[in-house]
Amino acid sequence: DILMTQSPLSLPVTPGEPASISCRSSQSLLHSNGYKYVDWYLQKPGQSPQLLIYAGSYRASGVPDRFSGSGSGTDFTLKISRVEAEDVGVYYCMQGLQTPLTFGGGTKVEIK
Amino acid sequence: EVQLLESGGDSVQPGGSLRLSCEASTFTFSRNAMSWVRQAPGKGLEWVSGISGSGTGRYYADSVKGRFIISRDNSKNTLYLQMNSLRAEDTAVYYCAKASCGDTCFYGLGVWGQGTTVTVSS
Repeated sequence: DILMTQSPLSLPVTPGEPASISCRSSQSLLHSNGYKYVDWYLQKPGQSPQLLIYAGSYRASGVPDRFSGSGSGTDFTLKISRVEAEDVGVYYCMQGLQTPLTFGGGTKVEIK
Repeated sequence: EVQLLESGGDSVQPGGSLRLSCEASTFTFSRNAMSWVRQAPGKGLEWVSGISGSGTGRYYADSVKGRFIISRDNSKNTLYLQMNSLRAEDTAVYYCAKASCGDTCFYGLGVWGQGTTVTVSS
């Protein structure tokens, strides 16, 4: 199984400031078609998870452009250009290259 | 707006069985692979099982293989998870989720249900 390792575990942020979350996979998520099979999800308190980024860098419908995804074959980053209060919650990366799909352990983002 | 509505969660004794359902609305159900994802109390997300749009491809996490069976009825726009030989460690909120990438791939879980709670305890 592909292991997904996220850091940090917890991320205190200041509204208006940038934030960054890292995710490392135990094997390359770069497919021969050029897509990187990593997604990013946000689970706000008391809610179901929601898709932010798919295939490494594509924003899901309705996701604000302050969210961006980047990375190579095994190292990926989710960036928030300017954090807003509504961005608090737990962020997860997930690999979709092969089953079983696997999630990172999560990064809890909270306002300072 | 695409919606997924889970049902079937309950409290059950170890060794018991449950069947979860997930009814989908407003999209061509058979065009998308579907997954079940669970979240134990206070824990992170764990993918449980996935099924292709046609239903011919079925995949499981090692933790549930041989005990859970995923299926779908495209005529009823409904996804199922038959859970047998339940254990305390299966206690979780179970979400169904729709893949946005098509009928044979599982990434881009763009639509999630609200979740249904399964509690396994004596």
